Amino acid sequence: NAGVMQNPRHLVRRRGQEARLRCSPMKGHSHVYWYRQLPEEGLKFMVYLQKENIIDESGMPKERFSAEFPKEGPSILRIQQVVRGDSAAYFCASSPGRNTEAFFGQGTRLTVV
Amino acid sequence: AQSVTQPDIHITVSEGASLELRCNYSYGATPYLFWYVQSPGQGLQLLLKYFSGDTLVQGIKGFEAEFKRSQSSFNLRKPSVHWSDAAEYFCAVGASSGGGADGLTFGKGTHLIIQP
Repeated sequence: NAGVMQNPRHLVRRRGQEARLRCSPMKGHSHVYWYRQLPEEGLKFMVYLQKENIIDESGMPKERFSAEFPKEGPSILRIQQVVRGDSAAYFCASSPGRNTEAFFGQGTRLTVV
Repeated sequence: AQSVTQPDIHITVSEGASLELRCNYSYGATPYLFWYVQSPGQGLQLLLKYFSGDTLVQGIKGFEAEFKRSQSSFNLRKPSVHWSDAAEYFCAVGASSGGGADGLTFGKGTHLIIQP
């Protein structure tokens, strides 16, 4: 059973471009969480999704950021018109249920130049 | 609002020596507490968690942590560290006992360096 898979591992974007980060949860997991880790900071919760539903997006910036978890395929975190301040490591975690242990992926390191 | 403080940004320990990583939390209700480890280039791995019962919790890789409500602390310990323990360690407080990742609040992490 493969772990949580995130791709790409590293992503470089110029200011103003779009970044798409993908997360494939572990088999049998229908809950996905996205976290952002800024340099010298701990992980900050962004959004919690179940299949086709956003459950909690209290940590998502109000503009330029969106997330989805379609019925088929990976969860996508989309950042439009990236700025230098978006440079960070973005981690995805998945779990089989809400109150069950979550497993983290290796992260996508986004660099905006 | 909940918060987690890890006072030590870096800690250097000799291989074979004992280790204690500090964690203090602020949380309005009964806290659910976690320690994660992040090896270079890897994701986070859950070491142990506490949500009730015995205040001394055993985890994987020989780690343990003690919950002290009076001090609002959840310090991580290991009696004898190995070079492979070099990593970033994160303390977290959450809203669900199972370790679900919704609404986890993480500390900034402690970078552990192991000296030969």
